[in-house]
Amino acid sequence: NSKVIQTPRYLVKGQGQKAKMRCIPEKGHPVVFWYQQNKNNEFKFLINFQNQEVLQQIDMTEKRFSAECPSNSPCSLEIQSSEAGDSALYLCASSLGTGNYAEQFFGPGTRLTVL
Amino acid sequence: QQQVRQSPQSLTVWEGGTTVLTCSYEDSTFNYFPWYQQFPGEGPALLISILSVSDKKEDGRFTTFFNKREKKLSLHIIDSQPGDSATYFCAASASGSNNRIFFGDGTQLVVKP
Repeated sequence: NSKVIQTPRYLVKGQGQKAKMRCIPEKGHPVVFWYQQNKNNEFKFLINFQNQEVLQQIDMTEKRFSAECPSNSPCSLEIQSSEAGDSALYLCASSLGTGNYAEQFFGPGTRLTVL
Repeated sequence: QQQVRQSPQSLTVWEGGTTVLTCSYEDSTFNYFPWYQQFPGEGPALLISILSVSDKKEDGRFTTFFNKREKKLSLHIIDSQPGDSATYFCAASASGSNNRIFFGDGTQLVVKP
């Protein structure tokens, strides 16, 4: 069973508001991923980190989205100005390495609703 | 462009029956194919995975088949149980991609008792 912790489980924001969610990866996992899963079950990779460094991110995250994984603190994903289209389940995953055979362990997600 | 495609979108089978889910992909650099199982209110969990050098992997009631030439794979669940009712995602990744996974859109499986 995954031990990735995500908070809050549910988040409701108005359009234009900031939305921030946090993730504690499994102990000893240096690699963290953020995915967005929409209501049609489509997954979108957002960003990944190894320790505190960004490995890869998509264009979307370079605009309204920001993320960080500070040392000795939870990782976080923040949407600066929420839009209705941001309503989705945000999943955090962690793994032992960046090799593509390394299993990713997912948390339960933060379900964001933007009114 | 959808990198990984799954079918069917939804499926209902009777308890004890065999479930077959199919998947196809575009990118020939993909070499690792995990299948994830997701229950409502939970994140996806790895069910079984296969490398592109293999054509079959079995784990209990779950078997995945891989056809590199056709860029297709499938997941077979024998003796399907009501507890298998979940959404199943086919996924793929490539070496050197920092473990970025591309997911299909899922198959919602209902197993009726």
